[in-house]
Amino acid sequence: DAKTTQPPSMDCAEGRAANLPCNHSTISGNEYVYWYRQIHSQGPQYIIHGLKNNETNEMASLIITEDRKSSTLILPHATLRDTAVYYCITPRGYGGSQGNLIFGKGTKLSVKP
Amino acid sequence: DTEVTQTPKHLVMGMTNKKSLKCEQHMGHRAMYWYKQKAKKPPELMFVYSYEKLSINESVPSRFSPECPNSSLLNLHLHALQPEDSALYLCASSQEAASYNSPLHFGNGTRLTVT
Repeated sequence: DAKTTQPPSMDCAEGRAANLPCNHSTISGNEYVYWYRQIHSQGPQYIIHGLKNNETNEMASLIITEDRKSSTLILPHATLRDTAVYYCITPRGYGGSQGNLIFGKGTKLSVKP
Repeated sequence: DTEVTQTPKHLVMGMTNKKSLKCEQHMGHRAMYWYKQKAKKPPELMFVYSYEKLSINESVPSRFSPECPNSSLLNLHLHALQPEDSALYLCASSQEAASYNSPLHFGNGTRLTVT
């Protein structure tokens, strides 16, 4: 199973871009990279996912390196409400089946005024 | 707001009680999940249902008993729990379980305290 490595914590100034890195050097060719976040006392919230192309939605952008061994989640204009734990996940296969999500420790992003 | 609804939001139970946690989704998803989350830890996968059949049990003790009565509902029956089972219990759903391209949608959880 592909494992991910993230810094335990990061700070970002309000209004600036937050760039959250993730290393997934053992990812296999058909595994997507998912990003979720969890704001205190809430369930995890899906942000974005991608396979090899860069992706953008209303919440964030996902940049995946060409070798797919790392990715960066970009929150273009961070607000105080973006303070959360951000999880980068690659699905783990169970025998022949696919796609169940095992969470690592994530990055605690603190957005400061 | 989340499209996955969990009830109750909070539950306090004694070690001899029997209680149930409920989860509901109306997104037409065919896979549903239970996760357990202890304080300051990431969520841990417990069970996966695919098309109303249990497909994954992550070696969860038998005092936790899942049930999927139909594709929209997921229950977790609790009996003879221990204080260390106190945690946030999260339900999630996705379009398919056996797919790499199927994001999970989570509820906000049930905060369980076992006394």
